[in-house]
Order: sequence, then C-alpha cells, then structure tokens
Amino acid sequence: DGGITQSPKYLFRKEGQNVTLSCEQNLNHDAMYWYRQDPGQGLRLIYYSQIVNDFQKGDIAEGYSVSREKKESFPLTVTSAQKNPTAFYLCASSLTSGHYNEQFFGPGTRLTVL
Amino acid sequence: QKEVEQNSGPLSVPEGAIASLNCTYSDRGSQSFFWYRQYSGKSPELIMFIYSNGDKEDGRFTAQLNKASQYVSLLIRDSQPSDSATYLCAVNPNYGNNRLAFGKGNQVVVIP
Repeated sequence: DGGITQSPKYLFRKEGQNVTLSCEQNLNHDAMYWYRQDPGQGLRLIYYSQIVNDFQKGDIAEGYSVSREKKESFPLTVTSAQKNPTAFYLCASSLTSGHYNEQFFGPGTRLTVL
Repeated sequence: QKEVEQNSGPLSVPEGAIASLNCTYSDRGSQSFFWYRQYSGKSPELIMFIYSNGDKEDGRFTAQLNKASQYVSLLIRDSQPSDSATYLCAVNPNYGNNRLAFGKGNQVVVIP
C-alpha cells in the first residue's frame, strides 16, 4: 500500500528532552513537510524539503530540526529549546514542489510534555 | 490581515441539505486552493483542489473559486452524518515556494 506513515502515534516527553518523530512515505514524492496543529487552530508549517539533502524553515521553525538524507524519510526532532511542544504533529508530502502541489498527510503524532 | 480566513462558526445542517463553507485569502497572486476534511482526532484528508476560476464538481462536493474577489467556497450537497467534520481551507500564496497557508477550519455538524 502506498502512503505516509508516522511513528509513534503518541509520544510523551519530559521537560528538557529531545524527541524525534518519524515520517516515511513510499509515494515517490519529492517534497515533504512538517506541520503543527494546536487545538482549534489551523496548521502551521515548521519545515519543508523540496529535495533530498535540502530543507527550508517554515513559519515556526524555532526549537525544531529536520534532516532529509533519503527521499522517503523526513524526521523531525523537537528539541528542549521548543518551549511549548505539546501539539499534534502532521507530516505531509507532495509529488512536486511547484504551485500545483496537492499535499497528502500522514496519520499524525500526538506529543505531550509531562 | 491573515493569509487565509474562515470566519464562520460551527455550521449545523439537516441531513440531506446543502452545507456551504467560505474562505477568503489575502494574496492576490495565489495559484492553487485546497479543501481538506478533518475528523476529530484524525489527520486532514484532501477532498478538493481547484486552480481556475469557476466551479469544480466531484461527487457531492463543489468547489467554487473567484480570484477577483479572493474567495473560495465548498458546497456539500445531500449532506450526510458522515460529513460531520472540520473543513480546512488551504491556499498556496505566490511566495515562490510550495508552502500552503491554512485557515483555522469550519466545523460542520450534520443533524440526522
């Protein structure tokens, strides 16, 4: 089955810990994205990558880091510098990086800081 | 002004009626427009995209785009209880990259 997978589904983090969220796609999509969603809010872009070994900051990149070593994978690390990390994290991918880029989402990871 | 605005509060519609959702955007150069459906606790699912002025129909869904007035609408005909969800409007502003700007969403409740 083609699709986007995210793991884990739920993640609990203690104060001061770094955690890494996994995102994998087998759709052969070039572009991948990380969004954050807070209750009652729209999605906000954290980072995106249009090609392997390249990525750009989105609107709320502070306290996060990413890598894109493989086309299929785009992991997100939430560092201890992110002061309010409790949120629903969504990974997405699209075939191209142009304007007509239908983005498809994975199932999400719900992160809670204890 | 926010990039994408969805101002309507929760929308309650009787089963079988038409649900109408509106979205306005600020960047006149925006090229592509998307509607996502998000069930509670789940990730967004792409249900419609539109690139040209006018109407685009897919099953019970119709997207309407008016670039001159900078709004995009979604109509859901013959609303079913399974349509109860939050609908997110997303726009690709003309920033030279492929980021999407999302509205906060409109909750639709279909009453049997």
